[in-house]
Amino acid sequence: EVQLVESGGGLVQPGGSLRLSCAASGFIFSNYALTWVRQAPGKGLEWVSAISGSGGTTYYADSVKGRFTISRDNSKNTLYLQMNSLRAEDTAVYTCAKGYLELGSYYYGMDVWGQGTTVTVSS
Amino acid sequence: QSALTQPASVSGSPGQSITVSCTGTSSDVGTYDYVSWYQQHPGKAPKLMIYDVSNRPSGVSNRFSGSKSGNTASLTISGLQAEDEADYYCSSYISSDTLVVFGGGTKLTVL
Repeated sequence: EVQLVESGGGLVQPGGSLRLSCAASGFIFSNYALTWVRQAPGKGLEWVSAISGSGGTTYYADSVKGRFTISRDNSKNTLYLQMNSLRAEDTAVYTCAKGYLELGSYYYGMDVWGQGTTVTVSS
Repeated sequence: QSALTQPASVSGSPGQSITVSCTGTSSDVGTYDYVSWYQQHPGKAPKLMIYDVSNRPSGVSNRFSGSKSGNTASLTISGLQAEDEADYYCSSYISSDTLVVFGGGTKLTVL
């Protein structure tokens, strides 16, 4: 079964840091681009960041650029999101998702999603 | 503020067809065929319904179809069923820097 499982969320003070992880199973991890998407309470989906299958190419939304870093360890089938300088507006459920096509550079249709991990930024 | 504009809500009766629009610009939807559509039921993860404007992933009902005209992409659901009631989001390639953006979402109510 193809599966993505996030972890690492929690309560953090403004200005703090968190590192999210997304453990993958059931597919050839390095063959697929991966994406982080977040959803604030009662709000819509927001694309956050993406990374190619090899890990050599990364992309970020303007709202997180310079503060978040996406990475992956293909030997551990794990995706990461390092979040620094967190703000109240970063409060959301963070979910990782897999590109549908088996192309390391296909980011546009995401067919497998995790259940998400909750990040709350509050003092 | 979403770069892609969707209606906040649409509704239809069982058996009818409805269309959800997703309006971008000539720099994203109008030029690139990287529009996807997702269905999200409350408390659940999004489900990919359409990718690359009009392609259905395996396992998605053929009642769902996608198209594009100019700067506007559309998701059409035919033979509306109660279980189609959900939020629907479009997404599109937007630039080589930011890459992807979602629309604001549309709540579909089956009357």
